[in-house]
Order: sequence, then structure tokens, then C-alpha cells
Amino acid sequence: NAGVTQTPKFRVLKTGQSMTLLCAQDMNHEYMYWYRQDPGMGLRLIHYSVGEGTTAKGEVPDGYNVSRLKKQNFLLGLESAAPSQTSVYFCASRPGQSNYGYTFGSGTRLTVV
Amino acid sequence: EDKVVQSPLSLVVHEGDTVTLNCSYEVTNFRSLLWYKQEKKAPTFLFMLTSSGIEKKSGRLSSILDKKELFSILNITATQTGDSAVYLCAVHNTNAGKSTFGDGTTLTVKP
Repeated sequence: NAGVTQTPKFRVLKTGQSMTLLCAQDMNHEYMYWYRQDPGMGLRLIHYSVGEGTTAKGEVPDGYNVSRLKKQNFLLGLESAAPSQTSVYFCASRPGQSNYGYTFGSGTRLTVV
Repeated sequence: EDKVVQSPLSLVVHEGDTVTLNCSYEVTNFRSLLWYKQEKKAPTFLFMLTSSGIEKKSGRLSSILDKKELFSILNITATQTGDSAVYLCAVHNTNAGKSTFGDGTTLTVKP
């Protein structure tokens, strides 16, 4: 049972480059989330999805876009990377019912130089 | 805007000590409060609390919620070096379908 899988695990980008982070879950979860975590801080929500074909903005959505074309996949895009987007990115998912915590992926460490 | 504040931000103790971590919150449409443990990588789920006054317990860890005063505590008794981690508190907003996290408490347990 793979759970939540994030790819890639590490990436270095130059300012202005674009990239897509992929999150895949095999638990048939309805809800999926992208968070970023900076040193000494908790998790801040970027975007999330409550079902296939739907997305919504979180606390820090600027500079990011997302898509949820298939229930099992949630993609996070950076169109023009900036050094301020250097962070660790976590994807998470949970079932549609509320009485469950998140299952997290192992994270993607992104450095923008 | 939903808000979660954890205290202390960091804590250093010796093995065998008992620690109490605090989490206060403000959230519209409260559904649940969750505790996670984060070691080097992804957070792992510890507890979910939905009702006041009911203690959740798992081994040396326990947690309780006070919905009137809007806070929760996480207790760890007889700490071990393996308890060293960042402990994250989150509150789940049922209408929005998302959780807001605090900044975490970094616990260091020395031998």
C-alpha cells in the first residue's frame, strides 16, 4: 500500500523556470492538499481539492497553480519560480468523511536559486 | 481567518521527564483538533479530538480538548530520546474542508 507518493523528492530550479510537482494517492481519498513548510514554521496551505475536477485557494496561493483531473492525482505547478518559493512541499489526502487525519507524502525539497 | 497558536515553540528536557504541549485556536465551524508528530520527514497522525473532556491516550502520550476555552494539551510521560520531534497541532474547519496548522513545538529529549 503506497499511500501518498510525491515526485520528485528533490529539485533545484533557477529563477524563472517552471516545474510541476506530482502527488498520487491510492487510497481513493476525496480530499487532497498541498502545503509548504518553511524552517521553524508549521504547514501553510497553498491549494486544495475536495474532489475530482475541483480546486480551491488556501492561505498562500500566489505563484502556484493546481489541477485535479483525476481523483488520485493532484498536481502543483510553479509557472515562474522565485527564491521565495524555496521550501519543503507536502501533499496530503484524506477521505471525504471528516473524522480522519491527513495522510502525508514524504515531501519535496525545492530550492530556487 | 482560522488561527492556531502552539506553545512553547521549543522545549529541551531529559529522558524520563514529563512534558505538556499547548495548543490554542480560533476557528469558524470547528470540526476537530488533530495532533501530528514530525520527525525528519512527513508528519504522522497522533490523535483526533472532537469532544471536550475526553482524553485520548496512546502509550505514554495523551491529549485532551477544551472546546469552551478553545485549547488542547498533549502530554508525554517518561520521555525518551525517540520522542524528539516537532509536534504539530491543527484544527479542521468542516465547512471549508481544510485544516489550519500551528507553527509546532520542537521537543528535544536529551539522554
